[in-house]
Amino acid sequence: EAGVVQSPRYKIIEKKQPVAFWCNPISGHNTLYWYLQNLGQGPELLIRYENEEAVDDSQLPKDRFSAERLKGVDSTLKIQPAELGDSAVYLCASTIPIGTELDYGYTFGSGTRLTVV
Amino acid sequence: GIQVEQSPPDLILQEGANSTLRCNFSDSVNNLQWFHQNPWGQLINLFYIPSGTKQNGRLSATTVATERYSLLYISSSQTTDSGVYFCAVELKSYNTDKLIFGTGTRLQVFP
Repeated sequence: EAGVVQSPRYKIIEKKQPVAFWCNPISGHNTLYWYLQNLGQGPELLIRYENEEAVDDSQLPKDRFSAERLKGVDSTLKIQPAELGDSAVYLCASTIPIGTELDYGYTFGSGTRLTVV
Repeated sequence: GIQVEQSPPDLILQEGANSTLRCNFSDSVNNLQWFHQNPWGQLINLFYIPSGTKQNGRLSATTVATERYSLLYISSSQTTDSGVYFCAVELKSYNTDKLIFGTGTRLQVFP
C-alpha cells in the first residue's frame, strides 16, 4: 500500500510569488492534515480535513494561505504571496476513519521543503 | 495549552550502545506516538502507544499515562538510528483532533 504522497519534494521561489503543494493521502483515510515544521522544531497543525470539509483551520494564516480537498481525496495547500518567513517544511498526514480502532495513528508524507529567497 | 517536553535534547552514542529517551506531558491526552525523523526529513511512525509497552525489534516504548510520561528504548544502536526522535500527544475533542509535538531528541550514532 502506498503511503502519503507529497509533491514537490523541494521548491525554491522568490518572495511574493505563489506556490502550491499537493498531497495524496492513504486510500480510505478520511482525515487529512497539513502541518508546518520550522527548522529545529516539531511540526504544528495548519489545517484538518474530514473528507472534503475543513473542520479545523484556526491555525491557518488565511491572509495568504489557502487549502482545498476536492472530492475528499487529494489536497492542495497554496501560499500567495510567499514571504521569506514561509521557508519551512510542509507536511501532510492522514489517519483512518473516525470510530475505527487506530492501530498505527498518523502517517506522514515526506514533506515539501520550501525555500523563499 | 499542553506542554510536551523531551529529554535529553541531544544524544551522542557509539554503535552498539543502548539509550532511553523520555517524553513528559503536562495534561491528560488521548494517545501518544513516537516518530523518527531521518536526516532526509521523513517522519516515520515508530509506535502508537496510549498506554502500556510495545516492542518492535530493537525498539520498545512504554507509556504510563497516569504519570504523564513515555519512554523510548533503543538497544544495540546503529548508525541508521541517527536523526531526531519526536513524541507527539494526540488531543481529541468534539472540535479538535491534532498532534502536539515535543521538543525532540537529536540522536547521533557513530561507528
